[in-house]
Amino acid sequence: GAVVSQHPSRVICKSGTSVKIECRSLDFQATTMFWYRQFPKQSLMLMATSNEGSKATYEQGVEKDKFLINHASLTLSTLTVTSAHPEDSSFYICSARDQVDRGNNSPLHFGNGTRLTVT
Amino acid sequence: AQSVTQPDIHITVSEGASLELRCNYSYGATPYLFWYVQSPGQGLQLLLKYFSGDTLVQGIKGFEAEFKRSQSSFNLRKPSVHWSDAAEYFCAVGAGSGNTPLVFGKGTRLSVIA
Repeated sequence: GAVVSQHPSRVICKSGTSVKIECRSLDFQATTMFWYRQFPKQSLMLMATSNEGSKATYEQGVEKDKFLINHASLTLSTLTVTSAHPEDSSFYICSARDQVDRGNNSPLHFGNGTRLTVT
Repeated sequence: AQSVTQPDIHITVSEGASLELRCNYSYGATPYLFWYVQSPGQGLQLLLKYFSGDTLVQGIKGFEAEFKRSQSSFNLRKPSVHWSDAAEYFCAVGAGSGNTPLVFGKGTRLSVIA
């Protein structure tokens, strides 16, 4: 089945530094990837939609200058948390839909998430 | 706007007992419905999905769900729960376009006791 690989699985960084999270679709192509954020014991909240070759679309309240998204190829999207602060500590999950199945509302395939801790 | 309600935050069942997790949705057109499971610190795994056709859908790990349009519900069931089923379960609804994200419910945490 379709696999989404997310790296790193865990990262600890100091306040003020930047962290890059990678999301790769391993056996399918995805023109669109979605980045979600999950607080402890909470649901997944959509942060942004990453579009290959164009700018990402951010949800209301998400700072695009803080959460930089780059979707440089059909199999890779990156989320960079810039100038991280402790309140950015969270679980970030990426997801993608097989481009071939796009029109059929196929399910999203999720990465295993990245646990970010900002100290 | 789309929304998903999972009324039960936490459910505890005994191993071997039956399970039903509730999910209600609000959506203006034909909903595309999903159930995902999440183990602690992990991503989401798809259990099953409903697009059209038979309203009772079978998924992995012995799970099934029934779509009831009149009740706007898509409840997840399992006849006999195993200890390994303890996890967080999310119901989600999708829009009619292939490039739109899913909207998730708040999740139901399932605990299984011996």
